[in-house]
Amino acid sequence: DADVTQTPRNRITKTGKRIMLECSQTKGHDRMYWYRQDPGLGLRLIYYSFDVKDINKGEISDGYSVSRQAQAKFSLSLESAIPNQTALYFCATGGLGFSMNTEAFFGQGTRLTVV
Amino acid sequence: GESVGLHLPTLSVQEGDNSIINCAYSNSASDYFIWYKQESGKGPQFIIDIRSNMDKRQGQRVTVLLNKTVKHLSLQIAATQPGDSAVYFCAENTMYSGGGADGLTFGKGTHLIIQP
Repeated sequence: DADVTQTPRNRITKTGKRIMLECSQTKGHDRMYWYRQDPGLGLRLIYYSFDVKDINKGEISDGYSVSRQAQAKFSLSLESAIPNQTALYFCATGGLGFSMNTEAFFGQGTRLTVV
Repeated sequence: GESVGLHLPTLSVQEGDNSIINCAYSNSASDYFIWYKQESGKGPQFIIDIRSNMDKRQGQRVTVLLNKTVKHLSLQIAATQPGDSAVYFCAENTMYSGGGADGLTFGKGTHLIIQP
């Protein structure tokens, strides 16, 4: 089983609809992240969470919201989807890195298309 | 603003040859760098990392070189195999939140193509 699991893997939705992307992890990490990947733009951070009570905006948070339901679960919502939110979305986890730099462990990705 | 970027979007190499993928960074405060490999349909996977107090680090068939003077990072893959075909990203840690992965800034990626 994957350490970081995203559902759904693919989704097509209509403009204006609300959609939730879910992420769960078995790595026991405190930190969880949502990234968006667009062709030619690389990975951009949407939101991140240090623990259940901590939520932080990333580089491109407008139009998105998140919920950290438990240490192992971090969901991303698009309240009213628009076509330019069509992208590949990745959830990632990372350990505490206060005095150490840490890598991020990524899920398989969710391909979202807004029509 | 400062950013991490890559010199070439596509690199084509012969199977068995060595591959060198380059990355330029502009944030002089960055002190931790990672290379990720992303295969088609999958999420990025960690390959190797290096801290700024090092110039070189070796893994299995991979070597990362860091030149802080010119803010340049490279990934060398020895004896390239078909399974090495993927997009490779460099990432830097901007250290604005204690050094955790929330500070990672990613480059746009280089697509490595292996020719038989």
